Parts: sequence; C-alpha cells; structure tokens
Amino acid sequence: EAGVAQSPRYKIIEKRQSVAFWCNPISGHATLYWYQQILGQGPKLLIQFQNNGVVDDSQLPKDRFSAERLKGVDSTLKIQPAKLEDSAVYLCASSLEGTQYFGPGTRLLVL
Amino acid sequence: AQSVSQHNHHVILSEAASLELGCNYSYGGTVNLFWYVQYPGQHLQLLLKYFSGDPLVKGIKGFEAEFIKSKFSFNLRKPSVQWSDTAEYFCAVSGGSYIPTFGRGTSLIVHP
Repeated sequence: EAGVAQSPRYKIIEKRQSVAFWCNPISGHATLYWYQQILGQGPKLLIQFQNNGVVDDSQLPKDRFSAERLKGVDSTLKIQPAKLEDSAVYLCASSLEGTQYFGPGTRLLVL
Repeated sequence: AQSVSQHNHHVILSEAASLELGCNYSYGGTVNLFWYVQYPGQHLQLLLKYFSGDPLVKGIKGFEAEFIKSKFSFNLRKPSVQWSDTAEYFCAVSGGSYIPTFGRGTSLIVHP
C-alpha cells in the first residue's frame, strides 16, 4: 500500500513570497490533515478535511494560509505572503478509523 | 484549552536500560491516545494506540503503554532499549470534539 505523498520535500523562499504544498493521501482515506511542526515542538493541526469538507480550521491563520481539497482526494496548502515565522515542516496525514498516517513532510525555510 | 504534556524533553540511556516516557493530557471524556515515533531522517510512524478495552496496549518493537484514566496519563514503556530506538517520540490525543493534539516530543538517545 502506498503511503501519503507530499511535494516538494524542501522549499526555500523569501518573506512575502507565496508557496504551495501538495499532498496525496492513502487511497480510500476520507480524512486528511495538515500540520505545522516548528523545530523543537510537536505537530500543530492547521486544518482537517473529511472528504472535501472542512472539519476544523480553528488553528489555521486564515489571513495568510489557505487549503483546499476540491475532489476529496489530494489537497494543497498555500501560504501567501510568507513570514519568517512560517519556517517549519508542513506535514500531511490521512486517516482511516481514527489512526493517522503521515507523509514525509515539506521543510520550508523563509528567509 | 486541550493540551498534551510530555514531561521528559531529552532522555539519554544506555542500551538494555528500561524506558518510561510520561504523557498527560488535560481533558476528560472519551479520547483516543497514540504514541508516534520519528526515527532520524524518517517520517512519523505509529508506535501504538489506545481506543478502548484493555488499558495496557502493546505496540511495535517491544513498546507498550498504559492508559490510566484517573491520572489522565498514557505513559510509554520498554523494558530494554536498543541503540536503534534512538528517535523522537510524540504522544497524541484525539477523539470526540477534540482536535488532534500532540505533545512537544521527547528526544531519546540510546548509547551503544
């Protein structure tokens, strides 16, 4: 069974630029999550989708972050404009019956 | 606000030593509990989980965890660690109306 795929794996941008991350969950997993993991901290949930609907986005900084999952399969997370404090690893996970499976993450550095 | 506390941020052990990593969460009700592990250069992997039933759960690689509801705890244990257990360990809670919440992680280094 293929795992959760994410791209790119690494991204370096300057502040005020835009960036987008892509995630393809495990086939058949209806729930998809985006997390932000800052160095030295645990993952923090940004947004949770159930199929193509948003379950929770209470911790998503909506003035600059957006996410979509239009067809209920793959998803994109966008940051526009980026700030220095957005430097982190962005993790995508999908779940079946409550157990989450994580992708390799995208490491973002904002200069 | 819901929170997950991992008491030990850095643990250094010699091979064959016993391991116990603490995890406490801040809210009641029905919760699902998880321990994830992240080996160097790899992504987060599920170590074990508790949804219901026997509060002592066994996971991969000889790890186990005990859910103590009265203490809001879900501590991770292994009787004899190996060098290959060097990794970052994360406790997580989800379920009910709670969004998935992770602790800040414990970095374990095992000396050969």
